[in-house]
Amino acid sequence: AQKVTQAQTEISVVEKEDVTLDCVYETRDTTYYLFWYKQPPSGELVFLIRRNSFDEQNEISGRYSWNFQKSTSSFNFTITASQVVDSAVYFCALSEAFVYFGTGTSLTVIP
Amino acid sequence: NAGVTQTPKFRILKIGQSMTLQCTQDMNHNYMYWYRQDPGMGLKLIYYSVGAGITDKGEVPNGYNVSRSTTEDFPLRLELAAPSQTSVYFCASSYRDTNQPQHFGDGTRLSIL
Repeated sequence: AQKVTQAQTEISVVEKEDVTLDCVYETRDTTYYLFWYKQPPSGELVFLIRRNSFDEQNEISGRYSWNFQKSTSSFNFTITASQVVDSAVYFCALSEAFVYFGTGTSLTVIP
Repeated sequence: NAGVTQTPKFRILKIGQSMTLQCTQDMNHNYMYWYRQDPGMGLKLIYYSVGAGITDKGEVPNGYNVSRSTTEDFPLRLELAAPSQTSVYFCASSYRDTNQPQHFGDGTRLSIL
């Protein structure tokens, strides 16, 4: 069974639209960490955010925000007023004994 | 500040050949990882290391070997390359443990023909 599910394989939005990337995870641990990484067309992976299982506060960083809900095992990522530079593949990941990555959501922002 | 450096960036191998993918980090991180990324499959952990002299298998270790003789270096060895090993390989490191953010190299695109 997939530990991290990103059901949206590809999303296209027009610039300035808001977009939410979904992430659902599965774990039996009570203490765990969740991550989001960005992989732009150039190919490198860039860390965006880390959340621990005890902190359910939403986080906002500029145009980016994250909604963590333990009750639904979800850690969704919203980009407000999307820009072309946001075009990338975004990965959600769960840390247990080691890190499990989702299959990624490819976001295309159309100018 | 180099971070995580992988070499080579691209390589084509023939079936049955062997090669070593090099990875070095200059951040004094204890943990290092090797992943492979296949289209639509996300990243899968091949091997990881919690410190010099200690390595362990990840999700997909078959066909690969690793060593960790120093804190800085974590090479990945492919023996008897097979077409199924065609992939993009990423090396990463993190400070202290897997709960820390990982820093990734730029990747190695490997084709087995």
